Amino acid sequence: QQQVKQSPQSLIVQKGGISIINCAYENTAFDYFPWYQQFPGKGPALLIAIRPDVSEKKEGRFTISFNKSAKQFSLHIMDSQPGDSATYFCAALRSGAGSYQLTFGKGTKLSVIP
Amino acid sequence: KAGVTQTPRYLIKTRGQQVTLSCSPISGHRSVSWYQQTPGQGLQFLFEYFSETQRNKGNFPGRFSGRQFSNSRSEMNVSTLELGDSALYLCASSILAGGYNEQFFGPGTRLTVL
Repeated sequence: QQQVKQSPQSLIVQKGGISIINCAYENTAFDYFPWYQQFPGKGPALLIAIRPDVSEKKEGRFTISFNKSAKQFSLHIMDSQPGDSATYFCAALRSGAGSYQLTFGKGTKLSVIP
Repeated sequence: KAGVTQTPRYLIKTRGQQVTLSCSPISGHRSVSWYQQTPGQGLQFLFEYFSETQRNKGNFPGRFSGRQFSNSRSEMNVSTLELGDSALYLCASSILAGGYNEQFFGPGTRLTVL
């Protein structure tokens, strides 16, 4: 059972454009939603995260939008740059579970072309 | 501050063998989690250790096991290797288990089973 569904699988955006990646979750017990960025040969690195008590969080060019009723959240990358080319994973966590188990989406490979 | 280190970085084994992977968390971090990353299944949670105790285990067969030492270093072992075990094995550490603590990933160990 895939608890976090991510789309699209791949995305090509021109430099300066907006990249949008969407995720949907099923388990309403999830209460922490991080996004990770992974470059080839590296482990995932936390990019930005949101809790369901806010609808939007912005850090620089990266914004998470969260829709609790629809159980959906998305990552927007404004003014996309070639250096943003990487694989992006959304994830979800149930913080009260007593352990740290992230459930990941299957990833989106972003290519930003000059 | 040194990041999460994993050894070895690359490993080639044959079916039926066993393998041990090592992870050294960031200094002061007491929680260590392991994930398997494959192109088809994405990132899947294996298990998590906190203060030498396994706190949570993912849906993997008993061939996959792990342990954590008193210095928080962790090892995972896979016995009777199968072709399908070929993957990138990622270790992640955080200061505490649970809650909203950021989880830092290592670069992974690339295991190839022939």
